[in-house]
Amino acid sequence: SQQGEEDPQALSIQEGENATMNCSYKTSINNLQWYRQNSGRGLVHLILIRSNEREKHSGRLRVTLDTSKKSSSLLITASRAADTASYFCATDAGEETSGSRLTFGEGTQLTVNP
Amino acid sequence: DGGITQSPKYLFRKEGQNVTLSCEQNLNHDAMYWYRQDPGQGLRLIYYSQIVNDFQKGDIAEGYSVSREKKESFPLTVTSAQKNPTAFYLCASSRRRTRSTGELFFGEGSRLTVL
Repeated sequence: SQQGEEDPQALSIQEGENATMNCSYKTSINNLQWYRQNSGRGLVHLILIRSNEREKHSGRLRVTLDTSKKSSSLLITASRAADTASYFCATDAGEETSGSRLTFGEGTQLTVNP
Repeated sequence: DGGITQSPKYLFRKEGQNVTLSCEQNLNHDAMYWYRQDPGQGLRLIYYSQIVNDFQKGDIAEGYSVSREKKESFPLTVTSAQKNPTAFYLCASSRRRTRSTGELFFGEGSRLTVL
C-alpha cells in the first residue's frame, strides 16, 4: 500500500530559486525520510526526521514534519542544475511483528534550469 | 569502499525463464531489501530480511523468491510466475533496528527487460 504521496508530481524552476516538495501519509509513523534519485541510478538518502521532531536542516535542505496533518515538506534553497533529480519521501510505520520497513511515495521530479 | 553491488546492471529474459539478480553488501548490515520501480513511479517492496536465514514478503512478493544464507548476500529470483517482470530492481540494506528503520543504502539497480 502507498503510504507517502508527494506533491507536486513535477516541478520546474530556475537556478537560484527555492524548491518545495510536499509529502502526505496516512498512518502514524516512527520516522520519515527523504531520498534523491538521479535518472537510472539508485536512491541516495538525504535526511531522516523522527516523529517527535518538527524541523531538521542539512546544508541547503530543510525538512519539516507535521504529525497532526500527517505531512512533511522538503525545501531546497538556492537550487542548482545539479539538484535535478527525483525526490521521494519514505515512511517507517514500525511494524513490530514483521520487522520495520519503509514505504515510498511516487516522487517529485525536480528540474532546475540553468 | 563499502557499499552495495547489484549485478547485472542490464538483463534480458525470454518469457518463461527464471532469472536471478545478485545483491552483495560489505557494510555489515543485518537488514536487506528488494524494491521494484516502474517508469515514473515510486518503489514497491518485494521482500525484506532482517537477519540471516529469515525473510518476509513485502507488498508485491508474488512471482518472486529470495534467500538469505549469508549476511552479505540477498539474491532475488524473478520466476516465470511473475506476469510483468520488466522493471528496475533496487536492492538496499540498513542497520537492523527493532522498532524503526534507519537510513537505507541502495545499489545502482538492475534493469530487467522481458523480450
